[in-house]
Amino acid sequence: EIVVTQSPVTLSVSPGERVTLSCRASQSVSSHLAWYQQKPGQAPRLLIYGASTRATGIPARFVGSGSGTEFTLTISSLQSEDLAVYYCQQYNKWPMYTFGQGTKLEIK
Amino acid sequence: EVQLVESGGALVQPGGSLRLSCAASGFTFSSFEMNWVRQAPGKGLEWVSFIGTTGSTTYYADSVEGRFTISRDNAKNSLYLQMNSLRVEDTAVYYCARERASGSPLDYWGQGTLVTVSS
Repeated sequence: EIVVTQSPVTLSVSPGERVTLSCRASQSVSSHLAWYQQKPGQAPRLLIYGASTRATGIPARFVGSGSGTEFTLTISSLQSEDLAVYYCQQYNKWPMYTFGQGTKLEIK
Repeated sequence: EVQLVESGGALVQPGGSLRLSCAASGFTFSSFEMNWVRQAPGKGLEWVSFIGTTGSTTYYADSVEGRFTISRDNAKNSLYLQMNSLRVEDTAVYYCARERASGSPLDYWGQGTLVTVSS
């Protein structure tokens, strides 16, 4: 099983800040890495796939990067509506998807 | 508009059974591979099961292998998850989710249905 680890677990941020979330896979997943956003009481929403391609309708402030085992999601200027839990997911060993444990963005 | 609507969640005793349904609309259901993903209360996401477009190919997480069965009815635009021998640790919100394309991540999710396993 490919283990996916996210850091930090929680991040306290202010609107307007630049935010960087990290995701590490236990073995190479090439570019088969996705990011999801989950707000309280809602289903996850696909943000990024292929490590760096934004899904339909996702604002340009969300930028994904990385390959192999190290990946990053950057929010260039945090908006209040971006407060959520963010999950990364590997699909290199499809369909045995594995998710990271999530990073929660909180208001500072 | 793509819509996925789960139903069937309930309170069930350990060892019991439950069948979840997911009604799909707004896209050609028979052309897309589908998955079930669950989320225990306050926890992260766990992939549960996959089914191919015709239903002939299925995969399961080790945690549910032999107890859960995924199926679909393309004529009814519906996805199912039959859950047997339920355990307390199966308590979770269960989401059905569509694959963006074969081998791709999950681009549309339902709102989820809560399964509680407790005596």
